[in-house]
Amino acid sequence: AQKVTQAQTEISVVEKEDVTLDCVYETRDTTYYLFWYKQPPSGELVFLIRRNSFDEQNEISGRYSWNFQKSTSSFNFTITASQVVDSAVYFCALSEGSGTYKYIFGTGTRLKVLA
Amino acid sequence: EAQVTQNPRYLITVTGKKLTVTCSQNMNHEYMSWYRQDPGLGLRQIYYSMNVEVTDKGDVPEGYKVSRKEKRNFPLILESPSPNQTSLYFCASSTRQGSSYEQYFGPGTRLTVT
Repeated sequence: AQKVTQAQTEISVVEKEDVTLDCVYETRDTTYYLFWYKQPPSGELVFLIRRNSFDEQNEISGRYSWNFQKSTSSFNFTITASQVVDSAVYFCALSEGSGTYKYIFGTGTRLKVLA
Repeated sequence: EAQVTQNPRYLITVTGKKLTVTCSQNMNHEYMSWYRQDPGLGLRQIYYSMNVEVTDKGDVPEGYKVSRKEKRNFPLILESPSPNQTSLYFCASSTRQGSSYEQYFGPGTRLTVT
């Protein structure tokens, strides 16, 4: 069965610190997709990134970077030089690509960036 | 503007009174889905639909019904709501074609069942 684990329930950092949010997944499929979403205090859900199981290249987008490692079934998210506006709940999610189109979300990590 | 809309945004109701939460998208997406968000549990998928007249259960379908008669609409029906269905509900849509499987989420519906 598929599963997504975000073991960090809440993280607090001081502005300008780097922070890594962990995501570990389980799936028996060889084709799958991984996602990160952000939920700021206003409540909406914002898509950040998608990765498919055949693309292990790390990605950087401004202060955000993602480290996908199939060997450890992890898809971690790093924010460099964090800002107060990064304060949000971050969700990691998994979708299997072969036959079923279920999405499984992790329980989320609440990030608090203190000024 | 590309968007997913949900109505109502807030609803307080009583146990057993049937209700429907509507969801509509204007992006011609094939895939639509309903989630509930509860503290400490993240988002859990209730039902999803891969296209018109094609629906399937997510992880927590008990007590809910859905239908997909038109591509743009995917209503969530609670035939006999109970207090344990008090939650924040999100509708989402995406395309399974092309390179992007990003889900677009509606603004959420906060439901309280007393």
